[in-house]
Amino acid sequence: SFVLTQAPSVSVAPGQTARITCGANNIGSQGVHWYQQKPGQAPVLVVYGDSDRPSGIPERFSGSNSGNTATLTISRVEAGDEADYYCQVWDSNADQFVFGTGTEVTVL
Amino acid sequence: QITLKESGPTLVKPTQTLTLTCTFSGFSLSARGMAVAWIRQPPGKALEWLALIYWDDDKRYSPSLKNRLTITKDPSKNQVVLTMTNMDPVDTATFFCAHTDNPTVHGLGVWGQGTTVIVSS
Repeated sequence: SFVLTQAPSVSVAPGQTARITCGANNIGSQGVHWYQQKPGQAPVLVVYGDSDRPSGIPERFSGSNSGNTATLTISRVEAGDEADYYCQVWDSNADQFVFGTGTEVTVL
Repeated sequence: QITLKESGPTLVKPTQTLTLTCTFSGFSLSARGMAVAWIRQPPGKALEWLALIYWDDDKRYSPSLKNRLTITKDPSKNQVVLTMTNMDPVDTATFFCAHTDNPTVHGLGVWGQGTTVIVSS
Protein backbone atom coordinates (compact mmCIF):
# COMPACT_ATOMS: atom_id res chain seq x y z
CA SER A 1 0.00 0.00 0.00
CA PHE A 2 1.03 3.63 -0.35
CA VAL A 3 3.29 5.40 2.13
CA LEU A 4 3.16 9.15 1.49
CA THR A 5 6.27 11.03 2.59
CA GLN A 6 6.30 14.76 3.26
CA ALA A 7 9.01 17.04 4.57
CA PRO A 8 8.25 17.91 8.22
CA SER A 9 8.53 21.66 7.72
CA VAL A 10 8.84 24.41 5.15
CA SER A 11 9.61 28.07 5.84
CA VAL A 12 8.76 30.85 3.42
CA ALA A 13 8.77 34.64 3.46
CA PRO A 14 5.56 36.55 2.79
CA GLY A 15 4.99 37.12 -0.91
CA GLN A 16 7.21 34.23 -1.91
CA THR A 17 6.26 30.76 -3.18
CA ALA A 18 5.97 27.67 -0.99
CA ARG A 19 6.26 24.23 -2.50
CA ILE A 20 5.14 21.24 -0.45
CA THR A 21 5.95 17.81 -1.82
CA CYS A 22 4.40 14.39 -1.28
CA GLY A 23 6.44 11.40 -2.36
CA ALA A 24 5.50 7.81 -3.11
CA ASN A 25 6.31 5.20 -5.70
CA ASN A 26 4.35 6.04 -8.86
CA ILE A 27 2.10 8.52 -7.07
CA GLY A 28 1.55 10.08 -10.47
CA SER A 29 -0.87 7.26 -11.23
CA GLN A 30 -3.11 8.32 -8.33
CA GLY A 31 -5.36 11.29 -7.73
CA VAL A 32 -3.86 13.37 -4.92
CA HIS A 33 -5.78 15.60 -2.56
CA TRP A 34 -4.36 18.30 -0.28
CA TYR A 35 -5.68 19.58 3.05
CA GLN A 36 -4.83 22.64 5.09
CA GLN A 37 -5.17 22.38 8.86
CA LYS A 38 -4.75 25.36 11.17
CA PRO A 39 -4.22 24.83 14.92
CA GLY A 40 -7.34 23.64 16.71
CA GLN A 41 -9.35 23.43 13.50
CA ALA A 42 -10.58 20.70 11.19
CA PRO A 43 -8.73 20.12 7.92
CA VAL A 44 -9.93 21.97 4.83
CA LEU A 45 -9.64 20.56 1.31
CA VAL A 46 -7.58 22.99 -0.80
CA VAL A 47 -6.79 20.85 -3.87
CA TYR A 48 -8.43 17.67 -5.15
CA GLY A 49 -7.73 15.36 -8.05
CA ASP A 50 -4.12 16.57 -8.31
CA SER A 51 -4.88 20.12 -9.41
CA ASP A 52 -8.51 21.18 -8.98
CA ARG A 53 -9.59 23.72 -6.40
CA PRO A 54 -12.83 23.58 -4.42
CA SER A 55 -15.04 26.62 -4.54
CA GLY A 56 -13.71 29.39 -2.32
CA ILE A 57 -10.07 28.32 -2.38
CA PRO A 58 -7.81 31.08 -3.75
CA GLU A 59 -6.06 30.61 -7.07
CA ARG A 60 -2.78 30.99 -5.17
CA PHE A 61 -3.15 27.30 -4.28
CA SER A 62 -2.26 24.93 -7.10
CA GLY A 63 -1.25 21.31 -7.43
CA SER A 64 0.63 19.01 -9.75
CA ASN A 65 1.44 15.31 -9.78
CA SER A 66 3.86 13.30 -11.88
CA GLY A 67 6.12 10.32 -11.45
CA ASN A 68 6.96 9.80 -7.80
CA THR A 69 6.12 13.29 -6.52
CA ALA A 70 2.99 15.38 -6.05
CA THR A 71 3.39 19.07 -5.25
CA LEU A 72 1.18 21.69 -3.63
CA THR A 73 2.30 25.20 -4.57
CA ILE A 74 1.23 28.27 -2.64
CA SER A 75 2.01 31.47 -4.54
CA ARG A 76 2.29 34.91 -2.96
CA VAL A 77 2.28 33.39 0.51
CA GLU A 78 0.36 35.23 3.22
CA ALA A 79 0.57 35.01 7.00
CA GLY A 80 -2.82 33.29 7.00
CA ASP A 81 -1.36 30.37 5.02
CA GLU A 82 0.61 29.26 8.05
CA ALA A 83 -0.72 25.77 8.80
CA ASP A 84 -0.09 22.05 8.50
CA TYR A 85 -0.65 20.60 5.05
CA TYR A 86 -1.46 16.95 4.34
CA CYS A 87 -1.54 15.06 1.06
CA GLN A 88 -3.89 12.12 0.60
CA VAL A 89 -4.73 9.44 -1.93
CA TRP A 90 -7.37 6.78 -2.23
CA ASP A 91 -5.36 3.59 -2.66
CA SER A 92 -7.67 1.68 -4.98
CA ASN A 93 -5.58 -1.49 -4.69
CA ALA A 94 -6.03 -1.65 -0.92
CA ASP A 95 -9.36 0.22 -0.85
CA GLN A 96 -8.23 2.70 1.73
CA PHE A 97 -7.46 6.35 2.22
CA VAL A 98 -3.82 7.12 2.95
CA PHE A 99 -2.64 10.41 4.44
CA GLY A 100 0.81 11.86 4.18
CA THR A 101 2.95 12.60 7.21
CA GLY A 102 2.17 16.31 7.07
CA THR A 103 4.21 19.47 6.46
CA GLU A 104 4.19 22.46 8.78
CA VAL A 105 4.40 25.69 6.79
CA THR A 106 5.86 28.65 8.64
CA VAL A 107 5.59 32.15 7.25
CA LEU A 108 8.67 34.09 8.31
CA GLN B 1 -24.73 23.33 2.23
CA ILE B 2 -23.23 20.16 3.69
CA THR B 3 -22.44 20.09 7.40
CA LEU B 4 -21.31 17.32 9.72
CA LYS B 5 -20.95 17.19 13.49
CA GLU B 6 -19.36 14.55 15.68
CA SER B 7 -20.62 13.60 19.12
CA GLY B 8 -19.67 11.12 21.79
CA PRO B 9 -17.97 10.74 25.16
CA THR B 10 -15.00 12.88 26.02
CA LEU B 11 -13.52 10.33 28.40
CA VAL B 12 -13.42 6.54 28.13
CA LYS B 13 -11.62 3.99 30.25
CA PRO B 14 -9.09 1.51 28.90
CA THR B 15 -10.67 -1.66 27.47
CA GLN B 16 -14.02 0.09 26.99
CA THR B 17 -15.79 0.44 23.64
CA LEU B 18 -16.02 3.91 22.12
CA THR B 19 -19.16 4.89 20.20
CA LEU B 20 -19.14 8.07 18.13
CA THR B 21 -21.97 9.55 16.09
CA CYS B 22 -21.67 11.75 13.02
CA THR B 23 -24.83 13.75 12.36
CA PHE B 24 -24.96 15.39 8.96
CA SER B 25 -27.16 17.59 6.80
CA GLY B 26 -27.18 18.82 3.23
CA PHE B 27 -27.00 15.42 1.55
CA SER B 28 -28.65 12.01 1.70
CA LEU B 29 -26.60 8.94 2.45
CA SER B 30 -29.16 7.02 0.42
CA ALA B 31 -28.15 8.93 -2.72
CA ARG B 32 -25.87 7.15 -5.16
CA GLY B 33 -22.19 7.90 -4.69
CA MET B 34 -22.37 9.46 -1.24
CA ALA B 35 -20.06 8.31 1.54
CA VAL B 36 -18.91 9.31 5.02
CA ALA B 37 -15.46 8.67 6.45
CA TRP B 38 -13.99 8.74 9.95
CA ILE B 39 -10.49 10.07 10.60
CA ARG B 40 -8.56 10.54 13.84
CA GLN B 41 -5.64 12.68 14.92
CA PRO B 42 -3.66 12.03 18.11
CA PRO B 43 -2.38 15.19 19.81
CA GLY B 44 0.47 16.69 17.78
CA LYS B 45 0.38 13.91 15.23
CA ALA B 46 -0.78 13.30 11.68
CA LEU B 47 -4.23 12.45 10.38
CA GLU B 48 -5.14 8.76 10.24
CA TRP B 49 -8.05 7.40 8.19
CA LEU B 50 -10.21 4.87 10.03
CA ALA B 51 -13.27 3.82 8.04
CA LEU B 52 -15.64 4.69 5.20
CA ILE B 53 -19.26 3.77 4.52
CA TYR B 54 -20.94 4.19 1.14
CA TRP B 55 -24.53 4.97 0.20
CA ASP B 56 -25.08 1.30 -0.65
CA ASP B 57 -23.75 0.14 2.77
CA ASP B 58 -20.42 -0.95 1.34
CA LYS B 59 -17.76 -0.46 4.01
CA ARG B 60 -14.00 -0.04 4.11
CA TYR B 61 -11.68 -0.13 7.11
CA SER B 62 -8.09 0.75 7.90
CA PRO B 63 -6.24 -2.57 7.72
CA SER B 64 -4.36 -1.86 10.95
CA LEU B 65 -7.56 -1.25 12.93
CA LYS B 66 -10.17 -3.27 11.10
CA ASN B 67 -10.55 -5.83 13.89
CA ARG B 68 -11.58 -3.08 16.32
CA LEU B 69 -13.81 -0.90 14.12
CA THR B 70 -17.43 -1.04 13.02
CA ILE B 71 -19.10 1.64 10.90
CA THR B 72 -22.85 1.78 10.38
CA LYS B 73 -25.35 4.25 8.98
CA ASP B 74 -28.92 5.32 9.62
CA PRO B 75 -29.96 7.41 6.61
CA SER B 76 -33.36 8.13 8.15
CA LYS B 77 -31.61 9.92 11.02
CA ASN B 78 -28.81 11.33 8.85
CA GLN B 79 -26.27 9.63 11.08
CA VAL B 80 -23.17 7.47 10.79
CA VAL B 81 -21.88 5.62 13.85
CA LEU B 82 -18.34 4.40 14.50
CA THR B 83 -17.52 1.96 17.26
CA MET B 84 -13.98 1.16 18.36
CA THR B 85 -13.43 -1.66 20.81
CA ASN B 86 -10.76 -2.24 23.44
CA MET B 87 -9.73 1.39 23.81
CA ASP B 88 -6.20 2.16 24.99
CA PRO B 89 -4.53 5.41 26.08
CA VAL B 90 -2.71 5.51 22.72
CA ASP B 91 -6.15 5.90 21.10
CA THR B 92 -6.50 9.36 22.66
CA ALA B 93 -7.25 11.62 19.70
CA THR B 94 -9.57 14.06 18.01
CA PHE B 95 -12.00 12.18 15.79
CA PHE B 96 -13.43 13.74 12.63
CA CYS B 97 -16.10 12.63 10.21
CA ALA B 98 -16.11 13.88 6.63
CA HIS B 99 -18.15 13.67 3.43
CA THR B 100 -17.16 12.51 -0.02
CA ASP B 101 -19.02 11.78 -3.23
CA ASN B 102 -16.00 10.11 -4.79
CA PRO B 103 -12.95 9.32 -2.67
CA THR B 104 -10.68 8.79 -5.66
CA VAL B 105 -11.55 11.95 -7.55
CA HIS B 106 -12.85 14.41 -4.97
CA GLY B 107 -11.27 13.50 -1.63
CA LEU B 108 -13.00 14.58 1.57
CA GLY B 109 -14.70 17.84 0.73
CA VAL B 110 -16.42 18.74 3.99
CA TRP B 111 -15.33 17.89 7.54
CA GLY B 112 -16.95 18.10 10.92
CA GLN B 113 -15.35 20.16 13.67
CA GLY B 114 -14.05 17.05 15.46
CA THR B 115 -14.58 15.62 18.90
CA THR B 116 -11.83 14.90 21.40
CA VAL B 117 -11.65 11.53 23.11
CA ILE B 118 -9.33 10.88 26.05
CA VAL B 119 -8.62 7.34 27.13
CA SER B 120 -7.68 7.19 30.79
CA SER B 121 -8.54 5.26 33.91
